[in-house]
Amino acid sequence: DSGVTQTPKHLITATGQRVTLRCSPRSGDLSVYWYQQSLDQGLQFLIQYYNGEERAKGNILERFSAQQFPDLHSELNLSSLELGDSALYFCASSVATSGGLSTDTQYFGPGTRLTVL
Amino acid sequence: AQTVTQSQPEMSVQEAETVTLSCTYDTSENNYYLFWYKQPPSRQMILVIRQEAYKQQNATENRFSVNFQKAAKSFSLKISDSQLGDTAMYFCAFMKPNQFYFGTGTSLTVIP
Repeated sequence: DSGVTQTPKHLITATGQRVTLRCSPRSGDLSVYWYQQSLDQGLQFLIQYYNGEERAKGNILERFSAQQFPDLHSELNLSSLELGDSALYFCASSVATSGGLSTDTQYFGPGTRLTVL
Repeated sequence: AQTVTQSQPEMSVQEAETVTLSCTYDTSENNYYLFWYKQPPSRQMILVIRQEAYKQQNATENRFSVNFQKAAKSFSLKISDSQLGDTAMYFCAFMKPNQFYFGTGTSLTVIP
């Protein structure tokens, strides 16, 4: 158990809908990262938040957004869902003490399996 | 752009034997970090080992060790005394501040 929690474990929804995935980092970790793992594209970095502020952006679509709250939990919002958004979404956290610049070890949550029908 | 290449999509090894998974990466950076993550059938991502590029000494973690060749941009993972629980997908990852890249993974099967 990494100490990172993600809810829900599974989510099934229809095209065009909007969903919210939730992540609680390990105690003491200030940085949260979101990744998408689909069958044909491996693990793709989406976005990083550090202490409430966006710190780095990867291959995140405009239909997706994220935020980190004062209690450091994070939410990833996916809207106008398409069939291709079906994937496993991971959240990871790290301490990231160096002013938010992170090459710290990331600890991954168990993931949320999103299925878009 | 940084890329991470794992050229072995699938590998197998007999229980108790040793296996090496390869990883190469492309970067013009001098300071970065390399990781191996394991993803068992449960799909959880589990840290196996970490290597700082500025360290010449290869990282080891129990039965897991790496061969880090900075000039060749190579970062292979050696698993000694393979166990059935080592069966998993293994991902090599390259990280520099606020940028993170993963390889496509190597599926390792340990055969009893």
